[in-house]
Amino acid sequence: AQTVTQSQPEMSVQEAETVTLSCTYDTSENNYYLFWYKQPPSRQMILVIRQEAYKQQNATENRFSVNFQKAAKSFSLKISDSQLGDTAMYFCAFMKHGGGSEKLVFGKGTKLTVNP
Amino acid sequence: DAGVIQSPRHEVTEMGQEVTLRCKPISGHNSLFWYRQTMMRGLELLIYFNNNVPIDDSGMPEDRFSAKMPNASFSTLKIQPSEPRDSAVYFCASSTGRGTEAFFGQGTRLTVV
Repeated sequence: AQTVTQSQPEMSVQEAETVTLSCTYDTSENNYYLFWYKQPPSRQMILVIRQEAYKQQNATENRFSVNFQKAAKSFSLKISDSQLGDTAMYFCAFMKHGGGSEKLVFGKGTKLTVNP
Repeated sequence: DAGVIQSPRHEVTEMGQEVTLRCKPISGHNSLFWYRQTMMRGLELLIYFNNNVPIDDSGMPEDRFSAKMPNASFSTLKIQPSEPRDSAVYFCASSTGRGTEAFFGQGTRLTVV
């Protein structure tokens, strides 16, 4: 079974600074997808960024980028120029590719606080 | 599309009562997920449907929990009888599969007293 581990329960960063959230996963699969979701206090789950395992290039979305290390099974999220609105829980997630079993499994999350 | 719609948003019930949570996925999505979120255990996948068929229910905690998807536009998660330890936020999510984004509903906050 796939597992996702986020080793940092809480982190904080100053506004405008850069922060990196860690995520590791365990799988025997070769093809899969990885995601970072954000959950602000409103409780809504919002997709931040998505990575396809067969793509070596790291995904980026504006201030958000990932460092995907397939051999190490590591998928960290870097937030540049942090903003107060980035304060939220961040969840790393894994989805196996195909086979009719594309269930989405989450880590336990990292609570990020951006300080003014 | 209005997104994934869950009802009710909040539910308070007494221990021993039956609770039914409802979900309407996004039209055209063929994958549906039910999650439970607590502080202690994070986001737990309870059950996953593909084309209305339960594919993996290994996360369902015990026989008190059951889920159905009678058609592509509706799913229910039932707890009978409910217990205080079932108190949590329950999320429904849907996707088109094939590694695409899962869209989440607003969640149902369940409190069992």
